[in-house]
Amino acid sequence: DAGVIQSPRHEVTEMGQEVTLRCKPISGHNSLFWYRQTMMRGLELLIYFNNNVPIDDSGMPEDRFSAKMPNASFSTLKIQPSEPRDSAVYFCASSPALEQYFGPGTRLTVT
Amino acid sequence: QQQVKQSPQSLIVQKGGISIINCAYENTAFDYFPWYQQFPGKGPALLIAIRPDVSEKKEGRFTISFNKSAKQFSLHIMDSQPGDSATYFCAASTGNTDKLIFGTGTRLQVFP
Repeated sequence: DAGVIQSPRHEVTEMGQEVTLRCKPISGHNSLFWYRQTMMRGLELLIYFNNNVPIDDSGMPEDRFSAKMPNASFSTLKIQPSEPRDSAVYFCASSPALEQYFGPGTRLTVT
Repeated sequence: QQQVKQSPQSLIVQKGGISIINCAYENTAFDYFPWYQQFPGKGPALLIAIRPDVSEKKEGRFTISFNKSAKQFSLHIMDSQPGDSATYFCAASTGNTDKLIFGTGTRLQVFP
């Protein structure tokens, strides 16, 4: 299995632009998680889905952030409009049960 | 109640030494305690995990010690190697959710 696939790996954008991060989970995994990692705040859970349904979005920082999972093999995290404080590494992880498998991350820089 | 407190924030160990990272929790409903290892530029990866029905679990040089009464668990890395240099996260979850509560991470550096 190829593991969790994230794209792009790096994204540099200007403040105010829309950013879309993409994730393909491991086939057969029924839970998907989006995390944000920064030096200051560590690893933060933003939202997680179970069987494509959002279960807990309490970590989504504000209305500028939205996430979708239209099917079992694809999820997106969108930031609109982006701000410099959104600069971070965003990880997607999938899980068949308890063990979470993380993707390589997307490093987002907002200038 | 939902936090997992991890210490130390950073750790420097000589090659061959023992690395020890500690975590504490408050929520007695937690029943799954994994440790994740993250190398620079990579996502975290599961290293070892324990359930509260055992006090210790060992996999190679890595051991989790679990103290249910104290609500603490720790990771011991025996014979630490430079290749173990990474950031380590403890985590916890309850059985009715896939959601993990992560500690703040420990950056381990092992010098030859």
